Amino acid sequence: AQSVTQPDIHITVSEGASLELRCNYSYGATPYLFWYVQSPGQGLQLLLKYFSGDTLVQGIKGFEAEFKRSQSSFNLRKPSVHWSDAAEYFCAVGLPHNTDKLIFGTGTRLQVFP
Amino acid sequence: EAGVAQSPRYKIIEKRQSVAFWCNPISGHATLYWYQQILGQGPKLLIQFQNNGVVDDSQLPKDRFSAERLKGVDSTLKIQPAKLEDSAVYLCASSLFETGGLISTDTQYFGPGTRLTVL
Repeated sequence: AQSVTQPDIHITVSEGASLELRCNYSYGATPYLFWYVQSPGQGLQLLLKYFSGDTLVQGIKGFEAEFKRSQSSFNLRKPSVHWSDAAEYFCAVGLPHNTDKLIFGTGTRLQVFP
Repeated sequence: EAGVAQSPRYKIIEKRQSVAFWCNPISGHATLYWYQQILGQGPKLLIQFQNNGVVDDSQLPKDRFSAERLKGVDSTLKIQPAKLEDSAVYLCASSLFETGGLISTDTQYFGPGTRLTVL
């Protein structure tokens, strides 16, 4: 069965530091890949998505993610974190040749210290 | 452009009571989704509508949950009777395009959710 793993439940970084959030998936082929962010009391906002082509994807708010087929990973990165980036981050996979069903990971909570 | 609207934002009920949530998707969006997000977990799809019809309800507990999307616009999700384990945030999302056997690359836009607490 398809699954998404986010190994880090909680990450704490200092403002200005670099960030990498990990995401691994299990699927027989290359799925569509997404990163969403959820601020407290808010819905999920799409940061970026990968369907095909260039494996380094640029998103909003200065985020980027790299698809590595050999590692079944789609890690999210940001070179310099801002305090406003504190939120919950979800990786998700969409299944080609299927409905638009998204399978989400359990999320990584990011805390940013000044 | 207005986003996905949901109401109420919060609801507290006792077990065995009934509750209903409402969602108004982005205007013109054909596809509407209801997700359940239990604390500490990622959202899980409950049901997906394309216009008036159900595309996927395989994870909807049909003995107690029901949903409808009359007229292909707004939607309601009902729980009757509620159980303690139904405590969660219920998220509604919509996307512009229809899925019709083609690979859909459409983005899902999420509403703020309804936080349900069952006592």
